[in-house]
Amino acid sequence: DGGITQSPKYLFRKEGQNVTLSCEQNLNHDAMYWYRQDPGQGLRLIYYSQIVNDFQKGDIAEGYSVSREKKESFPLTVTSAQKNPTAFYLCASSIDRTGQETQYFGPGTRLLVL
Amino acid sequence: GQSLEQPSEVTAVEGAIVQINCTYQTSGFYGLSWYQQHDGGAPTFLSYNGLDGLEETGRFSSFLSRSDSYGYLLLQELQMKDSASYFCALSGSARQLTFGSGTQLTVLP
Repeated sequence: DGGITQSPKYLFRKEGQNVTLSCEQNLNHDAMYWYRQDPGQGLRLIYYSQIVNDFQKGDIAEGYSVSREKKESFPLTVTSAQKNPTAFYLCASSIDRTGQETQYFGPGTRLLVL
Repeated sequence: GQSLEQPSEVTAVEGAIVQINCTYQTSGFYGLSWYQQHDGGAPTFLSYNGLDGLEETGRFSSFLSRSDSYGYLLLQELQMKDSASYFCALSGSARQLTFGSGTQLTVLP
């Protein structure tokens, strides 16, 4: 079955630690996105990538970094510079083609600070 | 920047029709999307309006008026499983989404 997988489901971060959230898709989608969701809020865009080896900052990129070395993979690193990382992190992908406006979301990773 | 406003909560009874409004401010966008999210789950796509007017997909319809900076999601024949959060979102040139803060729909028996 095609889809998007995110791991781990829950992640605990210690103060000063960098952690990496995995996002993999086998939908052959060109574009991938990372969003952050805080309780009772909408999703906010962190980074996005339209093609391999290229990515753009979203609205809240500070304290985060990404890479896009393969079409299938778009990992997100939450660095120690992100002072309030506790949130629900959602990865999404879409076909970069006019008329194909659906974004498909992974199940998410909940990040908690110890 | 972009901003979207939606009611925070809406309550309706099973079998009824409910409309969730979304107003927005933006200097430009490609379209307005709607997503459904159940508690603890991932958002799922419901509908998209690239042009003004009504789009119908089964029990769900969505409307966009660019001149009024307004859209809505219409849910008909409400079912208990429709209880969820509903988000409107503006699409940018790279299909990146700017979301509203969401409307919590509660369907009562």
